[in-house]
Amino acid sequence: EADIYQTPRYLVIGTGKKITLECSQTMGHDKMYWYQQDPGMELHLIHYSYGVNSTEKGDLSSESTVSRIRTEHFPLTLESARPSHTSQYLCASSEMNSGNTIYFGEGSWLTVV
Amino acid sequence: AQSVTQLDSHVSVSEGTPVLLRCNYSSSYSPSLFWYVQHPNKGLQLLLKYTSAATLVKGINGFEAEFKKSETSFHLTKPSAHMSDAAEYFCVVSDRPGGYNKLIFGAGTRLAVHP
Repeated sequence: EADIYQTPRYLVIGTGKKITLECSQTMGHDKMYWYQQDPGMELHLIHYSYGVNSTEKGDLSSESTVSRIRTEHFPLTLESARPSHTSQYLCASSEMNSGNTIYFGEGSWLTVV
Repeated sequence: AQSVTQLDSHVSVSEGTPVLLRCNYSSSYSPSLFWYVQHPNKGLQLLLKYTSAATLVKGINGFEAEFKKSETSFHLTKPSAHMSDAAEYFCVVSDRPGGYNKLIFGAGTRLAVHP
């Protein structure tokens, strides 16, 4: 059972609002990731982190930002939400070595109206 | 560059019959391969993974997959489908060894199981 948690699970918010999606893991993993998944579509990496104070952009360009001040915490922020940001956001983590299992949270469904 | 192709976007089977979900990959080196399952409104759950050990990999819930290098395939199978198997399944290849675990996802196969 993976110990990675995302909040909120579901969020409906108005255009222009600032939002933060929280992600925490209790496994001590150095690597953390954010993926974006539109309904019925594949996942795309938007951010990742090797560890504290490390953040990198992923393959899919995103207006969101992330921070990694603590190992267990990797929040994603949208300064000004737009309807085009409506999607599912999945947080994940893994140990440092390549090939290790990536564990996913249950996702945060964001709807911007 | 690595890529993954799931050959069927939808598969429909009757309960109790075998399941076959097909996946082909391309990679310039020995890849790590995974199958994840996603139930409605749930996160992704790892079914099984291949990381250059035994080519036949057994996972949870009776699923297994066989790594065939000559065919660049990693098909997912289960001898007998259960209603609870209805979900979206993703075949995933891990990017270059070393460095971060960049996962490349297939487009997904939606499995429907009928009584």
